[in-house]
Amino acid sequence: DAKTTQPPSMDCAEGRAANLPCNHSTISGNEYVYWYRQIHSQGPQYIIHGLKNNETNEMASLIITEDRKSSTLILPHATLRDTAVYYCIVRVAHAGGTSYGKLTFGQGTILTVHP
Amino acid sequence: DTAVSQTPKYLVTQMGNDKSIKCEQNLGHDTMYWYKQDSKKFLKIMFSYNNKELIINETVPNRFSPKSPDKAHLNLHINSLELGDSAVYFCASSLGLAGVEQFFGPGTRLTVL
Repeated sequence: DAKTTQPPSMDCAEGRAANLPCNHSTISGNEYVYWYRQIHSQGPQYIIHGLKNNETNEMASLIITEDRKSSTLILPHATLRDTAVYYCIVRVAHAGGTSYGKLTFGQGTILTVHP
Repeated sequence: DTAVSQTPKYLVTQMGNDKSIKCEQNLGHDTMYWYKQDSKKFLKIMFSYNNKELIINETVPNRFSPKSPDKAHLNLHINSLELGDSAVYFCASSLGLAGVEQFFGPGTRLTVL
């Protein structure tokens, strides 16, 4: 699986949009970009994923650059409960290989939302 | 309703002991995982099972033995516990090996003294 690079920490004011960047310059054509987050003392939680098109769900939006070498997770109106570690992960989503199904977590970005 | 549950939540034990952590999911998933999060907060996969069959074994010491009695359960037994085994262990499940979303349990904090 491709390696990802994220800033170690970011701050955001409550009610503002939080934009979390991720670089994955070695991503392969069959690898998806996934975002998970881990709120303190809890298990990781899936947020969103995409291949090459921008995606939006009730939690966030995912913007993937045209060359797919980077992406941005957008929390449109951050709340205090969004304070967490955010992980950007690239993963092959097809059968076979030893990486099948495996999520490889990096260090992530610690997002702190302040009042 | 708890989707993925783990017991116990906390486990404190002495070096050399044997202990087990249990995991159950009520989501109807066929794939389950064990992850380890160490003191530096790195989260790494240990094992995955699909339909009770071992799929991924990430060079984990053979003191760790997962057991899947059925698709809804994946237990982790650890023999001869060492100080370095202290960590938070997370169970997860998904629908299929390529399941988009893995659902994680609340974690079991293991402390080896």
